Amino acid sequence: EADIYQTPRYLVIGTGKKITLECSQTMGHDKMYWYQQDPGMELHLIHYSYGVNSTEKGDLSSESTVSRIRTEHFPLTLESARPSHTSQYLCASRTGGSVYEQYFGPGTRLTVT
Amino acid sequence: QKEVEQDPGPLSVPEGAIVSLNCTYSNSAFQYFMWYRQYSRKGPELLMYTYSSGNKEDGRFTAQVDKSSKYISLFIRDSQPSDSATYLCAMSQTGANNLFFGTGTRLTVIP
Repeated sequence: EADIYQTPRYLVIGTGKKITLECSQTMGHDKMYWYQQDPGMELHLIHYSYGVNSTEKGDLSSESTVSRIRTEHFPLTLESARPSHTSQYLCASRTGGSVYEQYFGPGTRLTVT
Repeated sequence: QKEVEQDPGPLSVPEGAIVSLNCTYSNSAFQYFMWYRQYSRKGPELLMYTYSSGNKEDGRFTAQVDKSSKYISLFIRDSQPSDSATYLCAMSQTGANNLFFGTGTRLTVIP
């Protein structure tokens, strides 16, 4: 079983609030990812990181930001939440090998009212 | 045009049935083909991967890739209620940084 954790699991918050979604892994993986998953839609990559102090935007435009100060920690922040940010956010990590074997966290279900 | 197309289902089968799940894709550069399984309220987990064309078998699961048709399949033999989940196909190119996912097919195996 993969050791990758996300908190909170569920979050309901009002418009305009600042939120941070936490993601931690204990596997020592260099590469970490944030995906957005909506019902009936494919997973979309919104951010990725190849290591400490390395972050890149994914193929889906997102108003969120990320940081990678420690190898095991990859938090995602929304400065001002809006209803359009309502979604499932999945964090993943992998070793330096092939891109296919990504380990996913359980996800954070965010609802912005 | 989407990079990866997958029938979202839902698909409902009786226990013991053979299940066939499929995806098509448009990018001929894809070389890695994966199937992830996602249980309700969980993150996806890698079930199988195949490099380039051909078949790969793992217990009751068989993955097939037909690059000439840009078509991949996952077969589940003797399906069990514990196989009830959403199955996502995913693909990538050699040296790529990320995966391209299908929308997922929701499968229910009825006891």
